[in-house]
Amino acid sequence: DAGITQSPRHKVTETGTPVTLRCHQTENHRYMYWYRQDPGHGLRLIHYSYGVKDTDKGEVSDGYSVSRSKTEDFLLTLESATSSQTSVYFCAISAELYDTQYFGPGTRLTVL
Amino acid sequence: GQQVMQIPQYQHVQEGEDFTTYCNSSTTLSNIQWYKQRPGGHPVFLIQLVKSGEVKKQKRLTFQFGEAKKNSSLHITATQTTDVGTYFCAGPPIYGGSQGNLIFGKGTKLSVKP
Repeated sequence: DAGITQSPRHKVTETGTPVTLRCHQTENHRYMYWYRQDPGHGLRLIHYSYGVKDTDKGEVSDGYSVSRSKTEDFLLTLESATSSQTSVYFCAISAELYDTQYFGPGTRLTVL
Repeated sequence: GQQVMQIPQYQHVQEGEDFTTYCNSSTTLSNIQWYKQRPGGHPVFLIQLVKSGEVKKQKRLTFQFGEAKKNSSLHITATQTTDVGTYFCAGPPIYGGSQGNLIFGKGTKLSVKP
């Protein structure tokens, strides 16, 4: 597996609290992605990054923000978590645009 | 909008039976990628097809890319319990499309009864 870690792996939080998920890669890949996976919806792109400080929205970006201050780290922030954001979050990386994506182990987030 | 449809959504087979999942795109794809996600795991890349009509094999798995590059299939011969999981297809649109976004199908969930 590619060198991708996500932290935390599991988190339970309450509605209205801020949450930050971290993705760390050791592959020096340019592109990083955040997806959420929910039953019946498959993988949905939240945000992605195409370089340090370069990010763009995906199809389900409302309520989420991201930051990438270093090549190896991509942070996903839920400013005020809602129950609808309960999901499994995957980070992925790729060397080039539309290239093969390598996924991290995922973070299971529960918002009560 | 652009869509990648996978059928069936679920497939239950007896161990030893064959399995096929189909991926159909509303737009032409420059390539098609297949991923497998084991229960509780993360998606793992299996293979990429690029050429029209391309066929690739990985042991008991056969992958095909359609002539028009709008559909693909994954066939597993003589399924085993280790084949259990969800199989996703994904591809970038060849014309236009969301920047940076592979279009993922929703996956086919395979269960295998021993």
